[in-house]
Amino acid sequence: DQQVKQNSPSLSVQEGRISILNCDYTNSMFDYFLWYKKYPAEGPTFLISISSIKDKNEDGRFTVFLNKSAKHLSLHIVPSQPGDSAVYFCAARHFGNEKLTFGTGTRLTIIP
Amino acid sequence: GAVVSQHPSWVICKSGTSVKIECRSLDFQATTMFWYRQFPKQSLMLMATSNEGSKATYEQGVEKDKFLINHASLTLSTLTVTSAHPEDSSFYICSAQSGRVRMQFFGPGTRLTVL
Repeated sequence: DQQVKQNSPSLSVQEGRISILNCDYTNSMFDYFLWYKKYPAEGPTFLISISSIKDKNEDGRFTVFLNKSAKHLSLHIVPSQPGDSAVYFCAARHFGNEKLTFGTGTRLTIIP
Repeated sequence: GAVVSQHPSWVICKSGTSVKIECRSLDFQATTMFWYRQFPKQSLMLMATSNEGSKATYEQGVEKDKFLINHASLTLSTLTVTSAHPEDSSFYICSAQSGRVRMQFFGPGTRLTVL
């Protein structure tokens, strides 16, 4: 039962344009969402997060949007840079539980 | 800050042997550590959660007698894969979390190949 889904396994974007990565979840108990970036043979590194009481959080080039009614979140990267090429995972947890549930990941390739 | 290391970064072993993987939080005290496994092109799957000084809590379907977890100090957790078999070949990643900040910091991972 995949509670967090990333339906696009891969995405290619021209350098300088906007990258939009999507994530859907099914568990309505999730109240905190995170995005991680991962390079091959390395552990994930934290990018940005959002609490369920918000619908948007911004940090530099990265913005996360949360639509609770649709159980959907997205990560926007603008402008996209070659160094952004990596696999991006969304993750979720619910109140009182420290465990993270990860999505399946989206491989982002930025084309110079 | 918030650096987590793993050792070894990769290991190759023969079927039937045991392998120990260490996870250390280098600049903070980790009250909770997590162990994940990632198969190629798949998600990170949580195997177990360990709190310092207590027994690990394993996720459903993870054999606790096969994957021994010890969290003996606030900076070190170990995962021992006992009697490893080729199907145990995977990328094992740990994360550490302090009691003050509800954020998991991940180690670089260990690639295990069982021949």
